[in-house]
Amino acid sequence: GAVVSQHPSWVICKSGTSVKIECRSLDFQATTMFWYRQFPKQSLMLMATSNEGSKATYEQGVEKDKFLINHASLTLSTLTVTSAHPEDSSFYICSARDYPPRGLETQYFGPGTRLLVL
Amino acid sequence: ELKVEQNPLFLSMQEGKNYTIYCNYSTTSDRLYWYRQDPGKSLESLFVLLSNGAVKQEGRLMASLDTKARLSTLHITAAVHDLSATYFCAVDITQKLVFGQGTRLTINP
Repeated sequence: GAVVSQHPSWVICKSGTSVKIECRSLDFQATTMFWYRQFPKQSLMLMATSNEGSKATYEQGVEKDKFLINHASLTLSTLTVTSAHPEDSSFYICSARDYPPRGLETQYFGPGTRLLVL
Repeated sequence: ELKVEQNPLFLSMQEGKNYTIYCNYSTTSDRLYWYRQDPGKSLESLFVLLSNGAVKQEGRLMASLDTKARLSTLHITAAVHDLSATYFCAVDITQKLVFGQGTRLTINP
């Protein structure tokens, strides 16, 4: 099946620094990718929809300037957490949709990136 | 606003027993997903349900969808310890997934 990768899998950074997380679709092209965050023992919350070649669409309450999303190619989307603070510590998961010509449209999830801001 | 509610949120059961997790949602959708999440891991896709009356089975898990009632169920048959995990349903609304709160399932020997 299709695979979505994320890098890094975990990151520890100091407060005030910026962190970039990469999401790649490995064997299919994804015009749309999604970024979620998950706090411990909670559900996944959609942060934004990343559109290849255009601006991301952010969900209500998500700061655009805080969480910068770039979807420069059909296989790569990046999420940059700018000026990170301890409250940004979370599990960030990306997903991508595959639209096979003769198959079922399916959404695949990456392995997640655990961010800890000190 | 779409709401997706799972019931129960916590479930502790013995091996060999049967149980059902319920997923109710508040608006029309033609696609519902079930995922499994192990601690510290991302989501593993279990089922995609596409139409009213859809039923899918994989091993000891069976999922069904009633679009008229806006209800999906995940039934566990003769539970085994390996099924301990958190299970999420997610409703597809214009390609965005809205997740339920998750059901934390613990299966005791």
